[in-house]
Amino acid sequence: AQTVTQSQPEMSVQEAETVTLSCTYDTSESDYYLFWYKQPPSRQMILVIRQEAYKQQNATENRFSVNFQKAAKSFSLKISDSQLGDAAMYFCAYRSLTNAGKSTFGDGTTLTVKP
Amino acid sequence: DAGVTQSPTHLIKTRGQQVTLRCSPKSGHDTVSWYQQALGQGPQFIFQYYEEEERQRGNFPDRFSGHQFPNYSSELNVNALLLGDSALYLCASKETGLAGGTDTQYFGPGTRLTVL
Repeated sequence: AQTVTQSQPEMSVQEAETVTLSCTYDTSESDYYLFWYKQPPSRQMILVIRQEAYKQQNATENRFSVNFQKAAKSFSLKISDSQLGDAAMYFCAYRSLTNAGKSTFGDGTTLTVKP
Repeated sequence: DAGVTQSPTHLIKTRGQQVTLRCSPKSGHDTVSWYQQALGQGPQFIFQYYEEEERQRGNFPDRFSGHQFPNYSSELNVNALLLGDSALYLCASKETGLAGGTDTQYFGPGTRLTVL
């Protein structure tokens, strides 16, 4: 069974600075998807960024980018130029290609952005 | 275009009761998954419905059951409620493509269930 671990329960960053959230996962599969989701206090889970395991190039979405290290099973999220609106709980998630119905989530990292 | 909607927003029940939560998927989506999110934890997969059938199930007891209607909306039913069932219940929908796993999953705002 796949597992996802987020080792940082809480992180803080100064507005306009850069922060990196860590995520490691365990799987025996070679093809899968990895996701970062943002869950603000309003509770709506929003997709931030997605990475296909077969792609060597790291995904980027505006100020959000990932560092995907397949051999190390590591998938960190970098937020550049942090904004107050980035404050939220961030979840790392894994989804198999063969078992596509289920996403496995980590326990989240609470990000605080200081003005 | 409405996203995923869930009802009710909040619900309070007592132990032993039964509850039904509802989900309407995003327009164009035909697959619905349900997740349980306990306080301070990540969502846990309950099950997924596609073509009105349960396609996959997580590690949840039979007290948790569901249904999908022809219009793709879905219900989650929980019988014999326990205190430990208190959680945020999230519904997620997607469009099932040929590859099955390439499409993006969209989440609803959730239903907060409190069991007293």
